[in-house]
Parts: sequence; structure tokens; C-alpha cells
Amino acid sequence: DAGVIQSPRHEVTEMGQEVTLRCKPISGHNSLFWYRQTMMRGLELLIYFNNNVPIDDSGMPEDRFSAKMPNASFSTLKIQPSEPRDSAVYFCASTETGETQYFGPGTRLLVL
Amino acid sequence: SQKIEQNSEALNIQEGKTATLTCNYTNYSPAYLQWYRQDPGRGPVFLLLIRENEKEKRKERLKVTFDTTLKQSLFHITASQPADSATYLCALHFNDYKLSFGAGTTVTVRA
Repeated sequence: DAGVIQSPRHEVTEMGQEVTLRCKPISGHNSLFWYRQTMMRGLELLIYFNNNVPIDDSGMPEDRFSAKMPNASFSTLKIQPSEPRDSAVYFCASTETGETQYFGPGTRLLVL
Repeated sequence: SQKIEQNSEALNIQEGKTATLTCNYTNYSPAYLQWYRQDPGRGPVFLLLIRENEKEKRKERLKVTFDTTLKQSLFHITASQPADSATYLCALHFNDYKLSFGAGTTVTVRA
């Protein structure tokens, strides 16, 4: 299995631009999670989906962030407009059992 | 709100020794607790899961304990090797599928 796939791996953009991060979960996994990791705040859960339905988005920092999961094999996290404080590593993870989570390699986002 | 604390940000040990990492939490106990390993530039990788009714779990040179009275989990790496150098994260599960992660402890094993 290829594992969780994320793209792009690195993104550098200017403040105010729209950023779209992509994730392909492991085939057969029915739950998907988006996390953000920074030195200051560690690994934070932003939102998670179960069977393509958003279950808990309480971690989404503000309305500039949105996430979708149109089908079982694809999810996006969008930031519009982006700000320098959004700079972080964004991870996608999936699970089949609801226990062990399998993480992707992450997207390193830098907003100038 | 729930608070998760992992001991010292960094732990430096000599090869062959045992590394012991601590994960403390406040308030109510989780249904289960997990430990993940994270290498620089990579995503966390699952290592072990221990449930609230289990005292100890082992996997090769790794051992995890879970004390709901002390609200603490200990993670041991025995006969440590330089390849064990990484950041180790504890993660607590309370409801649904959500995990809450600690800040992590970075372990460096000297040859």
C-alpha cells in the first residue's frame, strides 16, 4: 500500500493568496483527519471526517480555513486568504479501526 | 480542559541504556493511549496502543505502562540504539476518533 499521500510536499505563497492542500487516504480507511503542527502549539487536530462526512471541525482556526471530502479517496484543506501565521506543517491521517492513525508525509507551508 | 504533559523536551542517553519517557494528563482518563514516533521531516508513525484496563504492553524493545490512578503513562526504550533517536509523542483518545497529542520528547541516543 502506498500509504497516505499528500500534495504538494512544500508550498511557498504570499499573504492573501489561496492555498489548497490535498490528501489521498489509505484505501479502505473510512476516517480522515487534518492536523497542523508548529513548534509553539505542537500537533493540533483541525477537522476530521467519517465516511466522507465532517464530524468535528472545532479545531479549524477561523473561517479562512475550509475542508472537503468529496469521495472516499480524496480530501482538500483550503486556506483563503492565507496569512503568515498559517505557516506550519499540515498532516493528513487516516484510520480504518478508529484507533491507530496513519499519517502522510505532510505539507510544509510557508506564507510570506 | 484536558492537559497533556510530556517530560522534558529532550532526553540524551548513552547507547545501550534504557530511555524512559513520561506522559501525564489531567482530569478524566482516556479510553486508550498511544505512542507515536516522529522523525524530522516526516509524519508520526504509530508504535503502541494501551487501553485503560491494561497495565503494560510490550513490542520488541519498547514497553508502555498505563496508570489511571497516577494519570500517567511511561514509555521505555530498552537497549537503546542511535536509530532510536527521534521525537516520541503520546496521544490520548477520549471520544469518537479524536486523538489529543502531547508536545513530544526528543530522544538522542549517543553511540
